[in-house]
Amino acid sequence: TQLLEQSPQFLSIQEGENLTVYCNSSSVFSSLQWYRQEPGEGPVLLVTVVTGGEVKKLKRLTFQFGDARKDSSLHITAAQPGDTGLYLCAGALSSNYQLIWGAGTKLIIKP
Amino acid sequence: EPEVTQTPSHQVTQMGQEVILRCVPISNHLYFYWYRQILGQKVEFLVSFYNNEISEKSEIFDDQFSVERPDGSNFTLKIRSTKLEDSAMYFCASSVLGRAYEQFFGPGTRLTVL
Repeated sequence: TQLLEQSPQFLSIQEGENLTVYCNSSSVFSSLQWYRQEPGEGPVLLVTVVTGGEVKKLKRLTFQFGDARKDSSLHITAAQPGDTGLYLCAGALSSNYQLIWGAGTKLIIKP
Repeated sequence: EPEVTQTPSHQVTQMGQEVILRCVPISNHLYFYWYRQILGQKVEFLVSFYNNEISEKSEIFDDQFSVERPDGSNFTLKIRSTKLEDSAMYFCASSVLGRAYEQFFGPGTRLTVL
């Protein structure tokens, strides 16, 4: 069974602080996606990383794919209240296109 | 910006009834998916669909489930005889050829089975 473990499950920090969310697995993924999900809504794709060691930046968000393509991280610099939400990682195996999902990190940024 | 749409947003049904959940994928996408998310749990893959046939399905997608692309725009998920444990958010997703892993999701249909 392929598993994606996300940590932390919950994070509450002050506006302006930095944070990192981790996504780890023993499986190798052909790609890894990060999504953000609001309550009662569908996941919204933030980024896709494909190459081992790849780093992508989206404004204050930095995404990294591990060299072995088994793990990924999301770093937010100077977090703002608008960053509050549930962040999900999802990995695609090379053999098929179904996404294996992490349980999510619930992030709260306090003003 | 094109997006995946789903109807209805909320469906309430009695146990044993059939339900059809509808999705309109993004127009130039060729891969279609259904996922579900039971309240408080992880998103789970149900089925993928390409070239008018199922590409892959999970253990959850048993004989009670079926998918169809009845025309050039709609993609449906049918549950023949709903059970209480089918209550969940059902998400449709689609992706383009060559980047099938990059899936764009609809807003979901909340299915409540009483």
